Amino acid sequence: QSALTQPPSASGSPGQSVTISCTGTSSDVGGYNYVSWYQQHPGKAPKLMIYEVTKRPSGVPDRFSGSKSGTTASLTVSGLQAEDEADYYCCSYGGSNNYVFGTGTKVTVL
Amino acid sequence: EVQLVESGGGLVQPGGSLRLSCAASGFTFRTYWMHWVRQAPGKGLVWVSRMNSDGSITDYADSVKGRFTISRDNAKNTLYLQMNSLRAEDTAVYYCTTAGSYRFDNWGQGTLVTVSS
Repeated sequence: QSALTQPPSASGSPGQSVTISCTGTSSDVGGYNYVSWYQQHPGKAPKLMIYEVTKRPSGVPDRFSGSKSGTTASLTVSGLQAEDEADYYCCSYGGSNNYVFGTGTKVTVL
Repeated sequence: EVQLVESGGGLVQPGGSLRLSCAASGFTFRTYWMHWVRQAPGKGLVWVSRMNSDGSITDYADSVKGRFTISRDNAKNTLYLQMNSLRAEDTAVYYCTTAGSYRFDNWGQGTLVTVSS
């Protein structure tokens, strides 16, 4: 199964919003509402930010939101802060008892 | 507080074997599905394997099927990954994670496996 497609980079100034796309197929993103998003700072383990397309774990700021349309999911970070600068990965259940991650997006806060 | 501590990584020659461990604490380990996810240097995340709470169900990515074996010891609160016939492309940081509903809730710090002659 191929990795989900994400833009390599995205950027915004503090206070602005940035949206990251995650494109898959009808066999993964389009077939299930099981898209999750992970934030990873350099040298650190990933952290769950969004699950089941739109849900936020406790402790994750409401500046982070998720959505999905067809075979493309999106993560929006509103009110960008310096600490949001990190790599972001989407992930979808891919059926047949496996999972597929996105290619990753580096978010830069200008 | 949930803690996952991986160990067992290191340098191994192509064709060799290695067993990774993940010591869990701060939650009721025996009730959770667990996963392994890996990340090659400078690359993205890749799902590797999962096991259900009592060890009766296992799944693997095609890239490791037949070479890797996931297992657990609920009495020791430990998850394992036995890796055989290792290849250069298996070089990565290996993370163990707890599983929520089709998501990865908590992650360890990872252990680096390097396959090289």
